Amino acid sequence: AQTVTQSQPEMSVQEAETVTLSCTYDTSESDYYLFWYKQPPSRQMILVIRQEAYKQQNATENRFSVNFQKAAKSFSLKISDSQLGDAAMYFCAYRTANRDDKIIFGKGTRLHILP
Amino acid sequence: GAVVSQHPSWVICKSGTSVKIECRSLDFQATTMFWYRQFPKQSLMLMATSNEGSKATYEQGVEKDKFLINHASLTLSTLTVTSAHPEDSSFYICSLRGGNIQYFGAGTRLSVL
Repeated sequence: AQTVTQSQPEMSVQEAETVTLSCTYDTSESDYYLFWYKQPPSRQMILVIRQEAYKQQNATENRFSVNFQKAAKSFSLKISDSQLGDAAMYFCAYRTANRDDKIIFGKGTRLHILP
Repeated sequence: GAVVSQHPSWVICKSGTSVKIECRSLDFQATTMFWYRQFPKQSLMLMATSNEGSKATYEQGVEKDKFLINHASLTLSTLTVTSAHPEDSSFYICSLRGGNIQYFGAGTRLSVL
């Protein structure tokens, strides 16, 4: 069975600094998608970044980038120049390439931004 | 703009009453929608997969008679919590897939007194 593990329940980072959130997953599939979602206090789930497993190049979205290590089944999120608005719960998620498959979430990491 | 519209955002009801939550797809014809439940400080737990024109598929441990799902059109899925009790109080989120991206509604906070 596929699983997603986020080993850091909480993290803190100074404003303007860089922070990395860890995520590992387990799967026997070769083709799949990985996501990072942000859930701010409003509780609206927001897609931060996604990665297709068949792409070797790490995805980047402005201040957000990932380090995708397929062999190690690792998918960490790096947030550069942290801003107060980045404070939220961050969920790592996995889905197979089968369009009808459900998305599997990790337990989340709560990120605090220190002013 | 929003892709998924979920209503109501907050509902308070008396124990024993039923509550209906609506989830509308604004941009996609969604043959499949997903319903999640989230307890405080926890991750999202998939309750069921809603299929347009057919019965929903429930996850293990989720009572289908308690949580009725209707997906009558390509743009609307509803979740009805029947005979709600205080233990049903939670945050419910609907979701749909557009392309390879999963979009989420803003969620519904259910408080059962």
